[in-house]
Amino acid sequence: KNEVEQSPQNLTAQEGEFITINCSYSVGISALHWLQQHPGGGIVSLFMLSSGKKKHGRLIATINIQEKHSSLHITASHPRDSAVYICAVRSSGATNKLIFGTGTLLAVQP
Amino acid sequence: NAGVMQNPRHLVRRRGQEARLRCSPMKGHSHVYWYRQLPEEGLKFMVYLQKENIIDESGMPKERFSAEFPKEGPSILRIQQVVRGDSAAYFCASSPWPGTVYNSPLHFGNGTRLTVT
Repeated sequence: KNEVEQSPQNLTAQEGEFITINCSYSVGISALHWLQQHPGGGIVSLFMLSSGKKKHGRLIATINIQEKHSSLHITASHPRDSAVYICAVRSSGATNKLIFGTGTLLAVQP
Repeated sequence: NAGVMQNPRHLVRRRGQEARLRCSPMKGHSHVYWYRQLPEEGLKFMVYLQKENIIDESGMPKERFSAEFPKEGPSILRIQQVVRGDSAAYFCASSPWPGTVYNSPLHFGNGTRLTVT
C-alpha cells in the first residue's frame, strides 16, 4: 500500500463544476503539498499546508491532521484547470524528501 | 526574478553514454532537490544538496548516478552509462531554507525529459 493515496485517479468534469480531489496518507507529516503538472510541463506548487485551510483564487486546500487526510477543491472549474494534481507529504522531522501520490488526472470539458 | 531553470528540456542519449542535467535554483536559494518521474509512475525523491554538500542521497541509485552543487554554477545530476530504464523526467526544486524547516517552500523547474535509445 502506498504511503500517499489519491482519489480519484482520473476525473472528468464539465466547465463550471465544483471539483474535489482527495489525499490520504499513512505517515506522520510536517507538511503537505498540492502540486499541479500540465502534460509535458513543469510542476507548480499550489499549496503547502500543515493545518487548517488555505485559499487561493478558485482553489481551496484543507487538511485534517487527525484523520491524515487532505482535499483540494476547485470552484467554477475551467478547461485551463485540466492537469495532473499531485499530493505530496513531508514526513515528520525529515527534509523536503517528499513522498508523492500518483496524481489525479483532471479533464475539464467546455 | 527567474524561477528554477533546468536544461536541457529534452535530452536524448544512446545506451552507454553519459547524461548531464543542469539545474539553476532561484536567486537566493541554496537548497536543491532532485526528483525523478518514471513513465506512468509518481515522482520519487533522489537527492538533497546544499552548496558544496550532499545532505541526503537516500533516493539515488547506488551506481552510475551522482549529483553535485558547487559553490559557483548550477547543480548537476550526472548519469553515467545510461540504460533504457533511466528514461524519465527529472525535476529539480529549490528552497531558500533548509528542508528541515517545517514551512520550507519548494519551487520546481520545468524538468528535463531524458530519453535513452
